[in-house]
Amino acid sequence: EPEVTQTPSHQVTQMGQEVILRCVPISNHLYFYWYRQILGQKVEFLVSFYNNEISEKSEIFDDQFSVERPDGSNFTLKIRSTKLEDSAMYFCASEQVGADTQYFGPGTRLTVL
Amino acid sequence: AQSVTQLDSHVSVSEGTPVLLRCNYSSSYSPSLFWYVQHPNKGLQLLLKYTSAATLVKGINGFEAEFKKSETSFHLTKPSAHMSDAAEYFCVVSVFNNNDMRFGAGTRLTVKP
Repeated sequence: EPEVTQTPSHQVTQMGQEVILRCVPISNHLYFYWYRQILGQKVEFLVSFYNNEISEKSEIFDDQFSVERPDGSNFTLKIRSTKLEDSAMYFCASEQVGADTQYFGPGTRLTVL
Repeated sequence: AQSVTQLDSHVSVSEGTPVLLRCNYSSSYSPSLFWYVQHPNKGLQLLLKYTSAATLVKGINGFEAEFKKSETSFHLTKPSAHMSDAAEYFCVVSVFNNNDMRFGAGTRLTVKP
């Protein structure tokens, strides 16, 4: 069964450094999403992406964040200058056109020191 | 704005006994409702979804949920718990489109032998 994959599973970085979290969505899906879950808190929507552009973003997704689909398979989330409060589990999801269900990856745990 | 409240942060049952995970939603419009499950070190897996069709929804692994508009509830049930059901369960609501999915805080299900 096809599934969303994410790399790395765990990323440790120093405050102020840039990180790129990678996701490979399910191959025939065209909607892509990033969510995050700070330890002990709810899963929160960050951004959605379709047709090579952001379709919606939350207030969390400020100028420090960017997303990109650099090739036909990867979908990345970049945090330009990480802060301590960026430490969280980041989930990628993808969705097929015409469907109403998002499929999630296993997550990347980001730890900012 | 839409939101969900999962009434129990932790539920513990014995193997073979029924499971009830409670979820109440708040939405100004007709919602779509989902239950996702997260096993340790795994992604969020869709259990079932309600999208204005039948109010009793059957999902994978013997789970089902009933949409009750009068009670604004979407509780998840299973007649007989299995050890492999031990996981974190998330109730999720969305309206209009899935760009704006709101997660509950999650319920951790423990299954005792």
